[in-house]
Amino acid sequence: TQLLEQSPQFLSIQEGENLTVYCNSSSVFSSLQWYRQEPGEGPVLLVTVVTGGEVKKLKRLTFQFGDARKDSSLHITAAQTGDTGLYLCAKSDRGSTLGRLYFGRGTQLTVWP
Amino acid sequence: GAVVSQHPSWVICKSGTSVKIECRSLDFQATTMFWYRQFPKQSLMLMATSNEGSKATYEQGVEKDKFLINHASLTLSTLTVTSAHPEDSSFYICSARVMSNYEQYFGPGTRLTVT
Repeated sequence: TQLLEQSPQFLSIQEGENLTVYCNSSSVFSSLQWYRQEPGEGPVLLVTVVTGGEVKKLKRLTFQFGDARKDSSLHITAAQTGDTGLYLCAKSDRGSTLGRLYFGRGTQLTVWP
Repeated sequence: GAVVSQHPSWVICKSGTSVKIECRSLDFQATTMFWYRQFPKQSLMLMATSNEGSKATYEQGVEKDKFLINHASLTLSTLTVTSAHPEDSSFYICSARVMSNYEQYFGPGTRLTVT
């Protein structure tokens, strides 16, 4: 199996606070994607990380890829109500030519005004 | 770029009927598309991998005779839920893989309600 542990499962914070979501696996990722999904819609790709130690920034979102390529984190600075949603990490199947993704169970983020 | 559409966005059907859901990649070609099912507040569960011109690969526990998948072209895959029952009610989402890398782009989902 290619389990992807994502934590926390639920996060409820006030606007302006910072937060971090973690994504871990016992096996190496060839690449890892972070998605955000709003209710009733499909997931939207936020970022793809492929290089160990890589850091990518998307406005107030900072994505880190662990040096060993077995973990990743998403940090949101000064959260806004519009950040509310389900955040999903997913890794690709290194041995599959079909590019199957394995998803974490998701982090449901609620940002209160 | 990389836009995926699904049709219909929602459907209500009676128990015992069949429902077809379409997934289209609008501005790119996709040799591989994926079908997921999602329950409220939960992550996506992969049902099957759809390959253009060949049979779909189903995940363990997914009935291939109940969830018929056809990938007739590089831009269209369809999922038909046959003899639907209330327990099939769910949010069905497709994705299409960009050929040059492993990124997947998702459709907006189809809400199926079986009464």
